[in-house]
Amino acid sequence: DSGVTQTPKHLITATGQRVTLRCSPRSGDLSVYWYQQSLDQGLQFLIQYYNGEERAKGNILERFSAQQFPDLHSELNLSSLELGDSALYFCASSVSDYNEQFFGPGTRLTVL
Amino acid sequence: AQSVTQPDIHITVSEGASLELRCNYSYGATPYLFWYVQSPGQGLQLLLKYFSGDTLVQGIKGFEAEFKRSQSSFNLRKPSVHWSDAAEYFCAVGTFTSGTYKYIFGTGTRLKVLA
Repeated sequence: DSGVTQTPKHLITATGQRVTLRCSPRSGDLSVYWYQQSLDQGLQFLIQYYNGEERAKGNILERFSAQQFPDLHSELNLSSLELGDSALYFCASSVSDYNEQFFGPGTRLTVL
Repeated sequence: AQSVTQPDIHITVSEGASLELRCNYSYGATPYLFWYVQSPGQGLQLLLKYFSGDTLVQGIKGFEAEFKRSQSSFNLRKPSVHWSDAAEYFCAVGTFTSGTYKYIFGTGTRLKVLA
């Protein structure tokens, strides 16, 4: 158990819908990262927050957004969903930029 | 631009055989280096990391990795593979560019272990 929790574990929705994925980092970790993992694209970094502020941006689509709240939990919002958004979404946390990341179990999103 | 290459997409070894997974990076200085493992249906777990010092790093589950500056490599090794090592392995590097820290994952190597 990494100490990072993600909810929900599975999510099935339809195209055009909007969903929110939630992540609680390990106690004491200030950084939260979001990744998308799919068979055809591998592990893609989406975005990082550090202590409530956006720190780094990766291959995140404009339809996707994220935020980190004062209690350090984070949410990833995916809107206008397309079939291609079906993937595993991982959250990871770390104490700082330079340290290893601890990954949550992931949320499997299926868009029908 | 910085990059991480794992040249082997799939590797198959017999149980008890030795294992080496390759990782090469492109970066002007020495990056922070990591190896992660992902078992089916699970998140990634850190195996080991290298920041500085001794270039041979010991990790969990009997894995080790060696940093070779001259080859820009950080290969993962295990002397005797167990069936439970079947998983996907990711190399990652942390680099600084224009004052910003970037964390880059390789594309992964899927390990199959034959009984």
